[in-house]
Amino acid sequence: GENVEQHPSTLSVQEGDSAVIKCTYSDSASNYFPWYKQELGKRPQLIIDIRSNVGEKKDQRIAVTLNKTAKHFSLHITETQPEDSAVYFCAASLVRAGSYQLTFGKGTKLSVIP
Amino acid sequence: NAGVTQTPKFQVLKTGQSMTLQCAQDMNHNSMYWYRQDPGMGLRLIYYSASEGTTDKGEVPNGYNVSRLNKREFSLRLESAAPSQTSVYFCACKTAEGTDTQYFGPGTRLTVL
Repeated sequence: GENVEQHPSTLSVQEGDSAVIKCTYSDSASNYFPWYKQELGKRPQLIIDIRSNVGEKKDQRIAVTLNKTAKHFSLHITETQPEDSAVYFCAASLVRAGSYQLTFGKGTKLSVIP
Repeated sequence: NAGVTQTPKFQVLKTGQSMTLQCAQDMNHNSMYWYRQDPGMGLRLIYYSASEGTTDKGEVPNGYNVSRLNKREFSLRLESAAPSQTSVYFCACKTAEGTDTQYFGPGTRLTVL
């Protein structure tokens, strides 16, 4: 099955700096890569996603890049703010038994220091 | 629209007790999923249902059963709870068409003593 590795597990940055979180996946058939943000005690919420036919996608201060050859993808957050503090999860999606299944990384706890 | 709802929000069980976690969605989505979330482990798929009437095992199905009651509802049952099942359980759903985005419920925090 799919295996997703995520680094780093914790990340502290000063407010206004950039943050980068990296993930690798194992199955070249994976074709959809979402990123979820989870605040303490809350549900995971999608913040950005990318499909395998696209190399980069941006949405205001966040961007995701995908390198299919190397099987890795990254989340970039620029001009970080205290409200960006949360746990971020990457995931990779495969179709199995007629349904898309997500395999998640273990998460990165981002702390933005004011 | 409530999206995805889960009941209960919190539950404490004793080892060996049984319970059912309920999930309902009003998004008219075909696929539904049950995950568990443990510290440092991310989200792991327990069971999923690609459509009404079908269910399949995910990564960590042992100790659980599921029922896809209808298109809206997907329940997760623990027949004989064990301390290793202490976790936060999330239900999610996804439409069969277009986006692959999964939408999560608010979660159920389960403690097994």
